[in-house]
Amino acid sequence: SQQGEEDPQALSIQEGENATMNCSYKTSINNLQWYRQNSGRGLVHLILIRSNEREKHSGRLRVTLDTSKKSSSLLITASRAADTASYFCATLRSSNTGKLIFGQGTTLQVKP
Amino acid sequence: NAGVTQTPKFQVLKTGQSMTLQCAQDMNHNSMYWYRQDPGMGLRLIYYSASEGTTDKGEVPNGYNVSRLNKREFSLRLESAAPSQTSVYFCASSASGVTLNEQFFGPGTRLTVL
Repeated sequence: SQQGEEDPQALSIQEGENATMNCSYKTSINNLQWYRQNSGRGLVHLILIRSNEREKHSGRLRVTLDTSKKSSSLLITASRAADTASYFCATLRSSNTGKLIFGQGTTLQVKP
Repeated sequence: NAGVTQTPKFQVLKTGQSMTLQCAQDMNHNSMYWYRQDPGMGLRLIYYSASEGTTDKGEVPNGYNVSRLNKREFSLRLESAAPSQTSVYFCASSASGVTLNEQFFGPGTRLTVL
């Protein structure tokens, strides 16, 4: 069964606007990761946040983690047309041997 | 440095045929993974290999077998393909370790079973 549930499933915004995607999960985790997938391509790792961290930044990306609510959000600021892609959260469970569990993804369209 | 490579890129099979999907990585990673991606389902883990010489089942292993040929290569075999196995298959690798496990993905194999 899927660990992560993402919201919204699809998001359409104008270039320059911010995009926020949310991820909820069910079990305790070691870390949570976000990946991007461009159409027809493999996934690319964006950012990793550990369970003892609450916020992390990487360029225009900001990730928050609330372990009490078992949720995370990914914020992309000043979006560009090139940000158009699907975004997936993935969780590494505390009791796991290294297997990531992926959510169903959010499809982001950034209109120029 | 090619990262993770997969062959073939596309494949069409008839029901009952067999085939092997190949995956290789040149990052000296210990762990390798096979996923399938279906519309609206995200990625689901089929099999993984935590280290050379070991393999283990993931979430959806039925109908598949794997071989960790050496540290670089991890193959996925469909012994008797079924239409339900129509999907996009991704191979991934990671340096291993329980605490991190950032994964690097190949470009995928698009498989259609008629």
